[in-house]
Amino acid sequence: GQQVQQSPASLVLQEGENAELQCNFSSTATRLQWFYQHPGGRLVSLFYNPSGTKHTGRLTSTTVTNERRSSLHISSSQTTDSGTYFCAIDNAGAKLTFGGGTRLTVRP
Amino acid sequence: AQTIHQWPVAEIKAVGSPLSLGCTIKGKSSPNLYWYWQATGGTLQQLFYSITVGQVESVVQLNLSASRPKDDQFILSTEKLLLSHSGFYLCAWSGGQGWEQYFGPGTRLTVL
Repeated sequence: GQQVQQSPASLVLQEGENAELQCNFSSTATRLQWFYQHPGGRLVSLFYNPSGTKHTGRLTSTTVTNERRSSLHISSSQTTDSGTYFCAIDNAGAKLTFGGGTRLTVRP
Repeated sequence: AQTIHQWPVAEIKAVGSPLSLGCTIKGKSSPNLYWYWQATGGTLQQLFYSITVGQVESVVQLNLSASRPKDDQFILSTEKLLLSHSGFYLCAWSGGQGWEQYFGPGTRLTVL
């Protein structure tokens, strides 16, 4: 089945630093989504990005489908960015496979 | 705008007791609905999905079952809880034509 690897598993930043989160997957994905999970558990969709580059605010997602990888770039990090970031892949049907997540801590 | 609600917010249950978790989506007709489970500190695992009323597909069962009695409602249940059922349960929806999934606030379950 589909495998999704995220790196790093955890990351600690000082406020204002940038972060690059990676997602690699084992077979071609037709759909890819990035999520942010609040420390309290709420899961929020950041990007639906099966290919190309998308921006929203300080976040940029780039997916290179034929290389089976995606990245999430966070610029000028803030303490409120702390939480866990997941990428999730689907290559057919309704089954969504999540990576292990990157736990981000941003210190003031 | 679409809203998704889950109930209860949290539960503490005994091993062997029954469980029923609910999810309702408002503002979207004929959504695709999904159940996920997350162990503490772990990743999310898809359990079930439903494309239409009365139809539920199992992805990973974990001794749980799901039903969709109404277009806007998805229920997760079991007759006998196990310790391994503890965790965070999330319901999600997607549009009929699109695939992007949107998640509810979740239910935290502790089995003692």
